[in-house]
Amino acid sequence: QEKVQQSPESLIVPEGAMSSLNCTFSNSASQSIWWYQQHPGKGPEALISIFSNGNKKEGRLTVYLNRASLHVSLHIRDSQPSDSAVYLCAPRNSNNRIFFGDGTQLVVKP
Amino acid sequence: DPKIIQKPKYLVAVTGSEKILICEQYLGHNAMYWYRQSAKKPLEFMFSYSYQKLMDNQTASSRFQPQSSKKNHLDLQITALKPDDSATYFCASSQETGGEQYFGPGTRLTVL
Repeated sequence: QEKVQQSPESLIVPEGAMSSLNCTFSNSASQSIWWYQQHPGKGPEALISIFSNGNKKEGRLTVYLNRASLHVSLHIRDSQPSDSAVYLCAPRNSNNRIFFGDGTQLVVKP
Repeated sequence: DPKIIQKPKYLVAVTGSEKILICEQYLGHNAMYWYRQSAKKPLEFMFSYSYQKLMDNQTASSRFQPQSSKKNHLDLQITALKPDDSATYFCASSQETGGEQYFGPGTRLTVL
């Protein structure tokens, strides 16, 4: 069973700032790491995934993966109030099973 | 138009009863999944199906039985309901196993 730890539990940033979310996972053989966004009362929505060590950028999102330290981070540039949501880190194993963390509650204040 | 439909949105049941949670996807996907999100636990994988066949099962209890009557349907039957079963149940789908998963809006189940 994969263990996924996310930090911080909650994050408050002003509009326009960079939001940085962290995640550590227990299985270095995780096939890929996904980040999901979940708004209250809604299902999670996939934002970005990364398979290889290094970084990946999509729009305002950048994700960094370090398999040696079992760490992945998500950075949201120019954060907007509409980005306010819970962000879930989700490693996927070789059997395609996804394990979710408890999430980071992001609040972007106008 | 919603691509993944879950019915009902809210469900209240009494301990010991049986309920069926409905999931239909209109994305043309071949893989479907069930997840559970309890108040004090992270989102938890339950089952995965591919081409209407069970691929993976994380749920130890036989009280939870997926049912796939059509390619785009994956219902979840829960028998002998317990208060601990109270949670939001999410259905998801992907083009193939291993692809990006799309989640439905969830069914919030409360067992009294």
